[in-house]
Amino acid sequence: DAGVIQSPRHEVTEMGQEVTLRCKPISGHNSLFWYRQTMMRGLELLIYFNNNVPIDDSGMPEDRFSAKMPNASFSTLKIQPSEPRDSAVYFCASSLREGRSEQFFGPGTRLTVL
Amino acid sequence: ILNVEQSPQSLHVQEGDSTNFTCSFPSSNFYALHWYRWETAKSPEALFVMTLNGDEKKKGRISATLNTKEGYSYLYIKGSQPEDSATYLCAPAHNAGNMLTFGGGTRLMVKP
Repeated sequence: DAGVIQSPRHEVTEMGQEVTLRCKPISGHNSLFWYRQTMMRGLELLIYFNNNVPIDDSGMPEDRFSAKMPNASFSTLKIQPSEPRDSAVYFCASSLREGRSEQFFGPGTRLTVL
Repeated sequence: ILNVEQSPQSLHVQEGDSTNFTCSFPSSNFYALHWYRWETAKSPEALFVMTLNGDEKKKGRISATLNTKEGYSYLYIKGSQPEDSATYLCAPAHNAGNMLTFGGGTRLMVKP
């Protein structure tokens, strides 16, 4: 298995532009997580899905952020409009749907908003 | 939001030294405790998932213990090597769910 796949790996955009980050989880995993890593807050959970259904989105910073999981093999995190303070590394992770299952992280997308 | 604390925040040791660090978390509604190793410019990778009070897990020179009643876990590294340099994250899961709350991590630097 190729592991969790994220694209793009790097994104540089200008303030106000729409940004879409993509994630393909490991086949067979039924939970998917979006995290953001910043210097100030460390690794924080934005949203997670079980069986393609959003379970907890309380970590999504504001309405500019949205996430979808249209099927078991694909998820997107969208920021519209983007702001410089959104600059961070965004990780996607997947696991089996069970709190004792380890999470497998993708390589991350480094987002820079100018 | 759970309060997960890790200490120390950073640690510098000499190659060959043994070291340990702590993760503290709320003991109520505990379900599982995850440890992850995160090397610079890479992604976090799972080390252990622990569930039972008194549990001890080992992987090579790294081991971890768990106390669910008082809400803490220790991670030990025996004979640290430069390749052990990384940030070590703990993350508890509560209420039988798979949502994790990550601590701030302990950054370990091992000097050759």
